[in-house]
Amino acid sequence: QKEVEQNSGPLSVPEGAIASLNCTYSDRGSQSFFWYRQYSGKSPELIMSIYSNGDKEDGRFTAQLNKASQYVSLLIRDSQPSDSATYLCAVPDGATNKLIFGTGTLLAVQP
Amino acid sequence: NAGVMQNPRHLVRRRGQEARLRCSPMKGHSHVYWYRQLPEEGLKFMVYLQKENIIDESGMPKERFSAEFPKEGPSILRIQQVVRGDSAAYFCASSRDRDGYTFGSGTRLTVV
Repeated sequence: QKEVEQNSGPLSVPEGAIASLNCTYSDRGSQSFFWYRQYSGKSPELIMSIYSNGDKEDGRFTAQLNKASQYVSLLIRDSQPSDSATYLCAVPDGATNKLIFGTGTLLAVQP
Repeated sequence: NAGVMQNPRHLVRRRGQEARLRCSPMKGHSHVYWYRQLPEEGLKFMVYLQKENIIDESGMPKERFSAEFPKEGPSILRIQQVVRGDSAAYFCASSRDRDGYTFGSGTRLTVV
């Protein structure tokens, strides 16, 4: 059974700080990785995808991938209260295209 | 450019009734996925469909649950003889290929 692991949190950071969200996965053959944001009572929203080792930046968000360590992270710079949400890491199942989701990390940005 | 459309947004059913949840994928997307999310829990995969085909139903309960994606019309997730434990948010997502999904707004099912 392929697994995606995240700390459930809550992760509390002050406004303006860097929030660091981590995810590990069990399938060494995984090639693509996704971060979703889910506000309470809403549906998940894709915010970042990463396919190669290293960093990928998009505005205040940076995704980091280390395939050797089977580790993917999401950094949020200059955190804002509006970033408070649950962040879900997702990795495709190798056999089909379905995404396996971690349980999510709840981020709370304190004003 | 309509996104993934799910309806109804909220559905209340009495125990033993049937629930039908509908999902229309984004234009140009041929892959449809259904997920269930219980309160304070993660997204659990249920079924993956393409037009007229079930590709992976490994997450579907063996009884009472079925899904289809006909040649014409939306994908349907059907739950027969609902029980209180079926109360959850059911999300549909679609994709064009192996890119990330786009999710619909979900259907909140409450069984009373």
